[in-house]
Amino acid sequence: AQSVTQPDIHITVSEGASLELRCNYSYGATPYLFWYVQSPGQGLQLLLKYFSGDTLVQGIKGFEAEFKRSQSSFNLRKPSVHWSDAAEYFCAVAGLNTNAGKSTFGDGTTLTVKP
Amino acid sequence: DAGITQSPRHKVTETGTPVTLRCHQTENHRYMYWYRQDPGHGLRLIHYSYGVKDTDKGEVSDGYSVSRSKTEDFLLTLESATSSQTSVYFCAISESDSGSYEQYFGPGTRLTVT
Repeated sequence: AQSVTQPDIHITVSEGASLELRCNYSYGATPYLFWYVQSPGQGLQLLLKYFSGDTLVQGIKGFEAEFKRSQSSFNLRKPSVHWSDAAEYFCAVAGLNTNAGKSTFGDGTTLTVKP
Repeated sequence: DAGITQSPRHKVTETGTPVTLRCHQTENHRYMYWYRQDPGHGLRLIHYSYGVKDTDKGEVSDGYSVSRSKTEDFLLTLESATSSQTSVYFCAISESDSGSYEQYFGPGTRLTVT
C-alpha cells in the first residue's frame, strides 16, 4: 500500500528566509509525486509534480522539489519565502499500480511566515 | 483553473436529515473523487468514480453514497447525517488516462451537522 508522511505539522519561517518541507513516501514501484498548496478557505492547487527524468522539478510560485529514491523523499524547497506563501502544503503519491489514479495524501504541513 | 464547481458551498443541517452535495466539472475528465478534510487527518477519500455509473469506495465510505449519471456530475449523499460528518468536503477530478495523475480540486463545501 502506498503512504505519505509529512513529519512537520507546523513550520514557522521569517519572510525572506529559505524553506524546506519534508515528505517521505512508501510505494512499491516508480511513484508519481505531487505537492499541493491550500490557502485558507480554498481548495488544493497543484504546485509541482514528478513522474520521471530530472529529479529536481520546478513548480509555480518559485517552488522546487527534489526526488531522492534512495531516501524515499520528495522535499519541497523555496529559496526566499514571501508572506503570501503562508498556507497548508500537502505531499501526495500515486502511480501506475494505483486504481483509478487515486492519490494518497500526507496530513499536511502548515506554514506560518513571520514578518 | 480547472472548471470544477461544488454546491452548496455552505450547509447547516440537522442530525438524521439527508444531504446531497454536488460536484460539477466542465473538463470532461474521466475520474472524479470525493474527499473530506478534518483537522489532523489531511484529506481522506470517501468515494471515487472511474466513469459514468462506475464508482467505488474509498477509505472512509461508511454513511456515504455516490452517483454519477453523467460525466460532468458526481453527487455525494449522506443518507442520514450525523455530527461526525461535520467536515469540509472537496471534489477533485483527474485525467489519469493521460498518465498524469494530478488532481484538480473544487472550492469545497463546508457542512455542519447540528
